[in-house]
Amino acid sequence: SYVLTQPPTVSVAPGQTARIACGGNNIGTKNVHWYQLKPGQAPVLVVYDDSDRPSGIPDRFSGSNSGNTATLTVSRVEAGDEADYVCHVWGGGDDPVVFGGGTKLTVL
Amino acid sequence: QLQESGPGLVKPSETLSLTCTLSGGSISSPAYFWGWIRQAPGKGLEWIASIYYNGKIFYNPSLESRVAISVDTSQNHFSLRLTSVTAADTAVYSCARQAYGLQLGEIDYWGQGKMVTVSS
Repeated sequence: SYVLTQPPTVSVAPGQTARIACGGNNIGTKNVHWYQLKPGQAPVLVVYDDSDRPSGIPDRFSGSNSGNTATLTVSRVEAGDEADYVCHVWGGGDDPVVFGGGTKLTVL
Repeated sequence: QLQESGPGLVKPSETLSLTCTLSGGSISSPAYFWGWIRQAPGKGLEWIASIYYNGKIFYNPSLESRVAISVDTSQNHFSLRLTSVTAADTAVYSCARQAYGLQLGEIDYWGQGKMVTVSS
């Protein structure tokens, strides 16, 4: 089965840039989607198809994908961005929905 | 809006049953699959299954032997059954809408989630 690997934690000071990696074999050939998870709230899609943003998501959130790593970038980080971020790909017909383990973004 | 409903407490070895009702849209839309995802306490997201309005289904291979997902287009809802539950099935269960083109795509809308505890 297809495996996505994320670092458990990323820490950044307010106003700085956070980069959250999602590793997978040739992930650059897949469409990667990213979700923001906060306790007690429904998850929110922040980036889809590698780098597209849904309506209402600030342009501080951006994505890229190449080779074996996809990256979610959060620019000008705010306290409200503190959350878990999870990547997701289509792993194929036998493994259609694959999630990464999630990365906790801590705003220092 | 997606709203989960069902018991919040299930006994070990019994069957967990949840329903997700869609309001403000049609479950028969050809643009979407409808799915269930769970998150156990302190764990990551785990996809369970997804269904299309015409009955096409994808299951998580690791849960497939215990899971059934169904759709009722007349009631605009879809349902999950998970049999022979154990404490390991304790989790927040969320229903969700997933884009569908050539393959399953992004999950663009999630329900609030239903906490289900497996305990005697």
